[in-house]
Amino acid sequence: DTEVTQTPKHLVMGMTNKKSLKCEQHMGHRAMYWYKQKAKKPPELMFVYSYEKLSINESVPSRFSPECPNSSLLNLHLHALQPEDSALYLCASSPFLNTGELFFGEGSRLTVL
Amino acid sequence: KNEVEQSPQNLTAQEGEFITINCSYSVGISALHWLQQHPGGGIVSLFMLSSGKKKHGRLIATINIQEKHSSLHITASHPRDSAVYICAQTGAGSYQLTFGKGTKLSVIP
Repeated sequence: DTEVTQTPKHLVMGMTNKKSLKCEQHMGHRAMYWYKQKAKKPPELMFVYSYEKLSINESVPSRFSPECPNSSLLNLHLHALQPEDSALYLCASSPFLNTGELFFGEGSRLTVL
Repeated sequence: KNEVEQSPQNLTAQEGEFITINCSYSVGISALHWLQQHPGGGIVSLFMLSSGKKKHGRLIATINIQEKHSSLHITASHPRDSAVYICAQTGAGSYQLTFGKGTKLSVIP
């Protein structure tokens, strides 16, 4: 299994809603990443987890809250988002931090009304 | 500051043509990645290179460490190859991927 699975594929939420994005991989990778991608722009790194611990937070607003419950699962909890947070949210994993090939998910397309 | 430059930004080809996309970077790398993204879709990792050349099907990726340059070649291009191709690199000792702006490829039947 060489897949990174993201759910949901599409999400529409209001600014007062609380929702979550989920990412799962079963490749035994110990590094997992959240990226945000706006239209026609390259992805921007948000968070990095290594061995289920948050290693990097790229100054992301607190309305985005990551969680890594186990080595296969990575969540991104969303609360009080703004319309400008509408984007494609991509999850990726690699065997270890800085090492090995990156595997990306298909992304979750988020629209904030 | 690490920079990754891709060329061309846009490329239109007839089906069957040989395609080359170029990538230049400014600092030493630990790895260079070629990625593919279809419209509205997620990203697929095509290659990860630190030296030499790799081939997978009709795709070939090469890298010249001394010249800080990599190329992605597509032989016998097909309309399903139409996508954005992104070059990205991790610098030596860094976790951070630096992305190029991408090359939008359109292959016309």
